[in-house]
Amino acid sequence: EAGVAQSPRYKIIEKRQSVAFWCNPISGHATLYWYQQILGQGPKLLIQFQNNGVVDDSQLPKDRFSAERLKGVDSTLKIQPAKLEDSAVYLCASSLEFSLTDTQYFGPGTRLTVL
Amino acid sequence: SQELEQSPQSLIVQEGKNLTINCTSSKTLYGLYWYKQKYGEGLIFLMMLQKGGEEKSHEKITAKLDEKKQQSSLHITASQPSHAGIYLCGANAGGTSYGKLTFGQGTILTVHP
Repeated sequence: EAGVAQSPRYKIIEKRQSVAFWCNPISGHATLYWYQQILGQGPKLLIQFQNNGVVDDSQLPKDRFSAERLKGVDSTLKIQPAKLEDSAVYLCASSLEFSLTDTQYFGPGTRLTVL
Repeated sequence: SQELEQSPQSLIVQEGKNLTINCTSSKTLYGLYWYKQKYGEGLIFLMMLQKGGEEKSHEKITAKLDEKKQQSSLHITASQPSHAGIYLCGANAGGTSYGKLTFGQGTILTVHP
């Protein structure tokens, strides 16, 4: 079974530029998550989708970050414009269902460096 | 909001030694997950504990959940260089936050051959 796919793996941009990340979850997984992991910290949830609807985006900086999951499969996370503090690894995860105990499986992540 | 504290923050051991990593929650645990991460890469799921007193093992890694103490421990027996990496515990916040995982800051494990 194929795992969670993410691209690109690495991205370097100048501050104030825009960037987009793509995620393809495990086939059949209804729930998709985007996490931000700053160096030396644990991942922090940015947004959670159930199929193509947003369940939780309380920690998403909506003035610059946006995310969509069209057709309930692939998802795109965008930052516009980027700031220096956005340098982090952006992780996508998916789970089969929407429950307290469903396991989340993570992709390899996209390492973003903002100069 | 729920917070998870891991200890130690980093650990250096000689190959063959046993070690334990702890994860303590500030709130009730509805499910406790252990993941391993290689530097700059994604998280690899190790195991999930749900019930108080539950213990699970996979190869040389054993995890336990003490519901009363709101704490979990991860024990590695006879460590190997392949065990090196960052170990993260994650917990479900429960309530209306289904699926939302809060993570500890991670424990960096180095195993010297």
